[in-house]
Amino acid sequence: NAGVTQTPKFRVLKTGQSMTLLCAQDMNHEYMYWYRQDPGMGLRLIHYSVGEGTTAKGEVPDGYNVSRLKKQNFLLGLESAAPSQTSVYFCASRDRSLGAFFGQGTRLTVV
Amino acid sequence: AQSVAQPEDQVNVAEGNPLTVKCTYSVSGNPYLFWYVQYPNRGLQFLLKYITGDNLVKGSYGFEAEFNKSQTSFHLKKPSALVSDSALYFCAVRGGSNDYKLSFGAGTTVTVRA
Repeated sequence: NAGVTQTPKFRVLKTGQSMTLLCAQDMNHEYMYWYRQDPGMGLRLIHYSVGEGTTAKGEVPDGYNVSRLKKQNFLLGLESAAPSQTSVYFCASRDRSLGAFFGQGTRLTVV
Repeated sequence: AQSVAQPEDQVNVAEGNPLTVKCTYSVSGNPYLFWYVQYPNRGLQFLLKYITGDNLVKGSYGFEAEFNKSQTSFHLKKPSALVSDSALYFCAVRGGSNDYKLSFGAGTTVTVRA
């Protein structure tokens, strides 16, 4: 099983450019999450979804949008990238009783 | 709002010695508690969880954690550390079965020297 797959793994953007990060899970999990990881700050929740067609804001949602059109996919969009969005982004999924499963991360640099 | 505190940025131990990584939490309702480990340039891997029941939880790779409700703590322990345990460890919490948010601590870097 692939588990949780994130694409791309690396990306460099210029300030103002847009991009979409894709997260796909093959475990039929209801809940999916997008986090960003920055040194000394742990993982901060950007947005999450409790099911197909639903999304909600986390701790740091500004500058990001998400969509969950299909249960297995959770997309994170940056409409106008800023250097402050340079980070490592992790997607995770879980069902009700298990711990979350994480993707390998996307390293994004905004110059 | 729920939160997790990992008071130590770094923990250094000698191989073969006991390892403890501290975690305290704040949450409404009954806590669901987790430990994850991250190796360099990798995603997070699940180690163990506490949902209910026995306060001492055993997990992967010989790790265990003790839930202490009165101290709102969930410390990670390993009786005899290995060099291969060197990694970044995260404690996480969510507030019961109806809480969807999973909140993480800032992480503790564990270095085990040979």
